[in-house]
Amino acid sequence: QKEVEQDPGPLSVPEGAIVSLNCTYSNSAFQYFMWYRQYSRKGPELLMYTYSSGNKEDGRFTAQVDKSSKYISLFIRDSQPSDSATYLCAMSGGAGGFKTIFGAGTRLFVKA
Amino acid sequence: NAGVTQTPKFQVLKTGQSMTLQCAQDMNHEYMSWYRQDPGMGLRLIHYSVGAGITDQGEVPNGYNVSRSTTEDFPLRLLSAAPSQTSVYFCASTPDRVNSPLHFGNGTRLTVT
Repeated sequence: QKEVEQDPGPLSVPEGAIVSLNCTYSNSAFQYFMWYRQYSRKGPELLMYTYSSGNKEDGRFTAQVDKSSKYISLFIRDSQPSDSATYLCAMSGGAGGFKTIFGAGTRLFVKA
Repeated sequence: NAGVTQTPKFQVLKTGQSMTLQCAQDMNHEYMSWYRQDPGMGLRLIHYSVGAGITDQGEVPNGYNVSRSTTEDFPLRLLSAAPSQTSVYFCASTPDRVNSPLHFGNGTRLTVT
């Protein structure tokens, strides 16, 4: 079993839709949770960064962490074609220290 | 401010050849790492360094060597390329603060025939 599970998609939605992306994990020691966005032929770039459980909002993006369920989510409101990318969840902390473990990534297509 | 720079962008090797993937950062970050990205597998850690002169193995280190002689540079060496090493390689860096997010380069796309 992988430490971090993420549905690879692809996920296709119409412009303006609310998108929900999710990851589950097995290591309860993880404390830092991240979402990276990766455009085609580019490196991942940090989108959201949260510590422990709770919600964090930044514009159209909301990250949620539920440590009791070992489940994290990223919501995108009013999705735009420019949001079409691969979204990678990542987490670190605990015995692994600063090593960051990534999910496989979910490919998202937003149709105009 | 260039961030993390990787060269080359593309490379084709024959089985058994060796090569070095270059990575340089200009942010004075202490921590640098190499990942490979394969379809369905996500990013997997190959090697990492917590500072000049200090390196350690990640999840998939076999077939790769690293060294860190300066804060800025962290090259990845393929000793004898194999088709299983066909992948996209990303270098990343972060400040010495524990658990701070990673800054990635734009990758090197390697094909081994």
